[in-house]
Amino acid sequence: DTAVSQTPKYLVTQMGNDKSIKCEQNLGHDTMYWYKQDSKKFLKIMFSYNNKELIINETVPNRFSPKSPDKAHLNLHINSLELGDSAVYFCASSQKGNSPLHFGNGTRLTVT
Amino acid sequence: AQSVTQPDIHITVSEGASLELRCNYSYGATPYLFWYVQSPGQGLQLLLKYFSGDTLVQGIKGFEAEFKRSQSSFNLRKPSVHWSDAAEYFCAVGAGGNQFYFGTGTSLTVIP
Repeated sequence: DTAVSQTPKYLVTQMGNDKSIKCEQNLGHDTMYWYKQDSKKFLKIMFSYNNKELIINETVPNRFSPKSPDKAHLNLHINSLELGDSAVYFCASSQKGNSPLHFGNGTRLTVT
Repeated sequence: AQSVTQPDIHITVSEGASLELRCNYSYGATPYLFWYVQSPGQGLQLLLKYFSGDTLVQGIKGFEAEFKRSQSSFNLRKPSVHWSDAAEYFCAVGAGGNQFYFGTGTSLTVIP
């Protein structure tokens, strides 16, 4: 069984569109995250939710809006997509504190 | 401020040779340290972690890492590299509050 699954794996869209990426974890973890990996492989935290409550909200354009309907799901909605949003977006989960992160396989977003 | 430095952007080794990937961190308290591996098109997978105790930690796939507080280092080693080890390797520090800081990664190429 996949521990952290995110869909879609690939997303190609045009500038100005709105898109969503979904993430689900079946590990029973309390905390879920969204990370952005740019073309140079740099990983940047975007958001973190603990039990449906936002706990980390880094400097991210407000076009990005996370939503956590329950502690097993964390979706990412992006409005008015821009070329610079092209990247790989990773969902992850962990228990509290410094427990290791478990990552999904990523969603490669390409904005044309 | 917390930070993680991986000085080597890219390393090439011959199959069967030994490997050491460097990681230096900056963190005021006792760090929680991690190494992750990312294969092409995949998410990050935990190789090993250090929380406390023995400073030499063993991980999956024959990897080990040694925590050296005096040098603020957590270098990853493998005695004999296999072609399947070619991937991107990330060092990370857990700073509490579900906050993690990642290095910029080291890309490993294995030549036959």
